[in-house]
Amino acid sequence: GENVEQHPSTLSVQEGDSAVIKCTYSDSASNYFPWYKQELGKGPQLIIDIRSNVGEKKDQRIAVTLNKTAKHFSLHITETQPEDSAVYFCAASLANAGGTSYGKLTFGQGTILTVHP
Amino acid sequence: NAGVTQTPKFRILKIGQSMTLQCTQDMNHNYMYWYRQDPGMGLKLIYYSVGAGITDKGEVPNGYNVSRSTTEDFPLRLELAAPSQTSVYFCASSGASGTRNQPQHFGDGTRLSIL
Repeated sequence: GENVEQHPSTLSVQEGDSAVIKCTYSDSASNYFPWYKQELGKGPQLIIDIRSNVGEKKDQRIAVTLNKTAKHFSLHITETQPEDSAVYFCAASLANAGGTSYGKLTFGQGTILTVHP
Repeated sequence: NAGVTQTPKFRILKIGQSMTLQCTQDMNHNYMYWYRQDPGMGLKLIYYSVGAGITDKGEVPNGYNVSRSTTEDFPLRLELAAPSQTSVYFCASSGASGTRNQPQHFGDGTRLSIL
């Protein structure tokens, strides 16, 4: 099955700096890569996703890049703010042989991001 | 707009007791999922359903059962609670994707302790 590794496990930055979180996946058939933000006591919330036919996607201060050859993808947050402090999870979805994935996700272990004012 | 609603939010069980974690969604999503999140770990898929009457095992199904009698509801059943099932449980839903994944929407979780 799919295996997703996420690094670093903790990341501390100053407000205004950039933050980068990296994930690698094991199965080259994976084709969908979402990123989730989880605040304390809440469920994960989707912040951005990328599909295997795209190399980069950006949404305001957040961007995701995908390198299919190397099987890794990264989350970039620019101009970080204290409210960006949370746990971030990457995930990958492996398409079934019949082409229907049923949306099943394999998650990385999470990164605790702390943004200091 | 409620989205995915999970009840209860917290529960303490004794070893060997049983309980049902409730999950309901109001987005008319066909796909629903149950995950568990252990401290410092990512989410692991327990069971999933692609529509009413259709369920299948995920990565860690042992000790759990599910049913899906309606599109809206997807309860998770623990029959004989064990300390290893102490975790935070998340329910999620997404639109039917075919070959194109749709984003999953999560509830706020049920925090379960087995003592």
